[in-house]
Order: sequence, then C-alpha cells, then structure tokens
Amino acid sequence: ETGVTQTPRHLVMGMTNKKSLKCEQHLGHNAMYWYKQSAKKPLELMFVYSLEERVENNSVPSRFSPECPNSSHLFLHLHTLQPEDSALYLCASSQDLLGREVGETQYFGPGTRLLVL
Amino acid sequence: KNEVEQSPQNLTAQEGEFITINCSYSVGISALHWLQQHPGGGIVSLFMLSSGKKKHGRLIATINIQEKHSSLHITASHPRDSAVYICAVLPTSGTYKYIFGTGTRLKVLA
Repeated sequence: ETGVTQTPRHLVMGMTNKKSLKCEQHLGHNAMYWYKQSAKKPLELMFVYSLEERVENNSVPSRFSPECPNSSHLFLHLHTLQPEDSALYLCASSQDLLGREVGETQYFGPGTRLLVL
Repeated sequence: KNEVEQSPQNLTAQEGEFITINCSYSVGISALHWLQQHPGGGIVSLFMLSSGKKKHGRLIATINIQEKHSSLHITASHPRDSAVYICAVLPTSGTYKYIFGTGTRLKVLA
C-alpha cells in the first residue's frame, strides 16, 4: 500500500466511449503524474501537475484530457480512444516536483489496465 | 537507442541464487532509482542513489557515476522476488522527468 489509489483497476471500452480514470493520494503531496506503460516500452510521462497547475503536457493526443481539481485528486478523461491506447496507466505523486529536493521520490498507484476495442 | 539500457531483459534463476541486474545510462544525472513492479502492476521504489552503495535486507544497489552504471543485486533470491525491476534516472538538467529503462523481468523458481 503506497498511499496512492487508482480506480478502476481494469477498464474495457469501445472507441466511441467516454470514460475517466481516477487517482487519489493520501500522502499530502503537491505533485501528481500520469504515466502510460505499453508492453515492452519504457514508462512514458503524460502529464504533470504541481499545486493543481499543469506543468507538463508531453505531446499527448487531445483524446486524453487530465483534470486536477485539488492536490489529492487527479483524473484522466478518455474519449474516442484508439486500440493502440491500450496500456497500463499509472498515477504517481511526490511531495514536490522531482528534482527540486535531493532524495525526492515518487509513490505509484497500482495502475488501471485499459483495453480499447 | 534508449538513454537508459538495462540488462538482461529477462532472467530466470533458482531459489537461493545471487542475482545481478545492470543499468547503463548516457546522460548526466542527479539521481538514479531502482523500482520494482509486481505482476499486478503497482510500482514500488526500492532505492534512490546519487553515489556509492545502499543495502536494504537482501537487496544491494551500487552506482558508479563516472562510468554511468548501476547494479542491483539480490542475495539468496526467493520466488517472491519475481517481478520486473526498472531503472530510472533523473537528469541533471533540473527536469522532473525520469528517463526509464524497459525493465528486467526476473523469475525465481522454487
């Protein structure tokens, strides 16, 4: 148990559906991250929020839309996805943005395994 | 070519064996992390290194900054060590973006 929860854990959706992934951290952290993990590829950073402001939008297609209503919650809204978007989506948090303090580390959630049909 | 390379990609060992997983990187870094990912998907941070060596239980991590290389060792391996081990580096450019390796899939047989 890392203090970061994600729901749902598994999701199957059609290309025309709209769904949302939810992440919640109970650690009092100020930074939250969305990552995508595809088979046999390194983790890819998608979005970064610091104090509820987006600081990174890493060339992610607009069919992925993040939302950070407060420092404890992070959403990823999905619409008109493609089969190649099938992957494990991981949320993480850190006390502050990585790199600002020596020893800062991330805490990851269990992930949402997404299948797009 | 990825800026972070891990070897081997896959490793099968017998219970009790000493295991070494290697990570080489090509950028200047401020920190290197070793992460463990179990089949359920969740990732746990094992070590954060900026120099030298760290030990936690049966796990030992070393880093050589000059050679841009780190190793993760597991002594007296156990089936519960079966997981994917991921090396991630934080470049010195001040960014918050990790660069991740593709991981080493370890299976320890009883």
